[in-house]
Amino acid sequence: DQQVKQNSPSLSVQEGRISILNCDYTNSMFDYFLWYKKYPAEGPTFLISISSIKDKNEDGRFTVFLNKSAKHLSLHIVPSQPGDSAVYFCAVSRAARQLTFGSGTQLTVLP
Amino acid sequence: DTEVTQTPKHLVMGMTNKKSLKCEQHMGHRAMYWYKQKAKKPPELMFVYSYEKLSINESVPSRFSPECPNSSLLNLHLHALQPEDSALYLCASSHLGMGAHEQYFGPGTRLTVT
Repeated sequence: DQQVKQNSPSLSVQEGRISILNCDYTNSMFDYFLWYKKYPAEGPTFLISISSIKDKNEDGRFTVFLNKSAKHLSLHIVPSQPGDSAVYFCAVSRAARQLTFGSGTQLTVLP
Repeated sequence: DTEVTQTPKHLVMGMTNKKSLKCEQHMGHRAMYWYKQKAKKPPELMFVYSYEKLSINESVPSRFSPECPNSSLLNLHLHALQPEDSALYLCASSHLGMGAHEQYFGPGTRLTVT
């Protein structure tokens, strides 16, 4: 049973436009949500996170939105750049225990 | 410094070999993790060490043997592996305690079992 789902395996966006990556989770006990970015043959790089007491967190071009009633989070990248092309994983955590990752979305930013 | 280092970057081993993967961090983190990642899949947790003690083993076969010699080092000893164990092995570390959710990953060791 998948506790974290990223339903879009891939997404293509034009450079300069907004990229929106989505993630759904099933367990309302999760209290912390994270996004990681991964290039081929490298480890995941932590991008941005949000706790369940907030609904938005912003860091430069990256904004994470959390909708607890819908059990949905999203990552917005504005403006998108070719260097953003990578696999993006959402991850969830409960009481600072281990992370559970979604299946990932391959983002391609076209020049 | 948010760096986790892993050696070697690549490893090819036969099914009868014994080898070890190494991981090091100097961020003062007291939790360290081993993950396995197959192509086009998310990382899967294998082991968690908290304060240098094994706290979680996700039913990993005994041919994988973790070791945490001190708070900065984490090893994964490999013996009699199978070809299906070929994967990217990732080490991560984090602070412990409430609010300590972010894990920082190393670049991984690409393991091929022949």
